[in-house]
Amino acid sequence: EDQVTQSPEALRLQEGESSSLNCSYTVSGLRGLFWYRQDPGKGPEFLFTLYSAGEEKEKERLKATLTKKESFLHITAPKPEDSATYLCAVWYDYKLSFGAGTTVTVRA
Amino acid sequence: DAGITQSPRHKVTETGTPVTLRCHQTENHRYMYWYRQDPGHGLRLIHYSYGVKDTDKGEVSDGYSVSRSKTEDFLLTLESATSSQTSVYFCATSTPGLPYNEQFFGPGTRLTVL
Repeated sequence: EDQVTQSPEALRLQEGESSSLNCSYTVSGLRGLFWYRQDPGKGPEFLFTLYSAGEEKEKERLKATLTKKESFLHITAPKPEDSATYLCAVWYDYKLSFGAGTTVTVRA
Repeated sequence: DAGITQSPRHKVTETGTPVTLRCHQTENHRYMYWYRQDPGHGLRLIHYSYGVKDTDKGEVSDGYSVSRSKTEDFLLTLESATSSQTSVYFCATSTPGLPYNEQFFGPGTRLTVL
């Protein structure tokens, strides 16, 4: 069964149109949740680590939040350069499981 | 950016042949990882290393072996390549401290097994 589920699979936004990506997980004993950005043809690039429910992290137009069952990545007033696939990963019980990602396209 | 290189960047091989992929880092990071990435599956951990000569299996380790004889090099070997191992392979490293945290990824190797 899926441990980590990301939704939606794809998201098309107009420049300036804020939105949120979801990462839900069913594991127990969460030790950390990570967000990465991946551009086509490249390796993922680290964005955030969240350790406990209620924690929030921000970087430029991105804000990540964590609850006991899910994490959200909020993109505020996105620009075309925010177009990428966003991956979340869950660290639990000495294991790491990635979601399949959400591909975000921001149109000018 | 962490100095992580992977070689080769592209490889086409035939079923049944052995293949070795190399990951080289210049950051002296303790932890190193090998992943494969396939459409619809996301990244899946193959093997990881927590130090020289210290390695362990990940989620999809069958058909793969690894070696780490120096801090900077982590080799992934497909003992007898199969078509199901066609994938993009990524190496990653992470800084001392918590494993899995804040990983730096290499550029990837696209492997095709015919």
